[in-house]
Amino acid sequence: GQNIDQPTEMTATEGAIVQINCTYQTSGFNGLFWYQQHAGEAPTFLSYNVLDGLEEKGRFSSFLSRSKGYSYLLLKELQMKDSASYLCAGNAGNMLTFGGGTRLMVKP
Amino acid sequence: KAGVTQTPRYLIKTRGQQVTLSCSPISGHRSVSWYQQTPGQGLQFLFEYFSETQRNKGNFPGRFSGRQFSNSRSEMNVSTLELGDSALYLCASSARTALSGTDTQYFGPGTRLTVL
Repeated sequence: GQNIDQPTEMTATEGAIVQINCTYQTSGFNGLFWYQQHAGEAPTFLSYNVLDGLEEKGRFSSFLSRSKGYSYLLLKELQMKDSASYLCAGNAGNMLTFGGGTRLMVKP
Repeated sequence: KAGVTQTPRYLIKTRGQQVTLSCSPISGHRSVSWYQQTPGQGLQFLFEYFSETQRNKGNFPGRFSGRQFSNSRSEMNVSTLELGDSALYLCASSARTALSGTDTQYFGPGTRLTVL
């Protein structure tokens, strides 16, 4: 199948670092997206990994290991506004398969 | 550049009716994808249109259909509405330029459909 698994909820403290993991069980994906979605809003693009390794964009970094079917999103220097759902999505020919999303709560 | 726009933003229908949702992609984008988001199932792919042709289709019944116009605007239609069709319908556009290509998908604000 094309399962994409990520934790349902995570809690972290303002200023800390949090890592959100995503695992997938198919070889059909040619890349992995991460999106952020605030309640009641549309998902917004964070990162897209095609090659193995770490890609850094400011406070956000994303890692991919295709051989292990594993990705993570790393958020540094957490801010209250980072409280949102984080969605990983496998890409197969421009068709995205989404995980259930991880709801991150940032506490003061 | 203006982002992806969707109309209407909110819609209330009753069982058995049909509904048409509209999506205008980012200027220059030729690919439009539609997704259904529900609390239970999350975000699920419906279909993708590229240059007026359906290129990919998700696992939804035939009551869900769509089309794309020459200006890349897309519409999605759901016939014989069921209670379970209540959801947020999101469209996303991307700048991919070839059938085999891929590019980041940018989402619109969505249409929240409630079926009573």
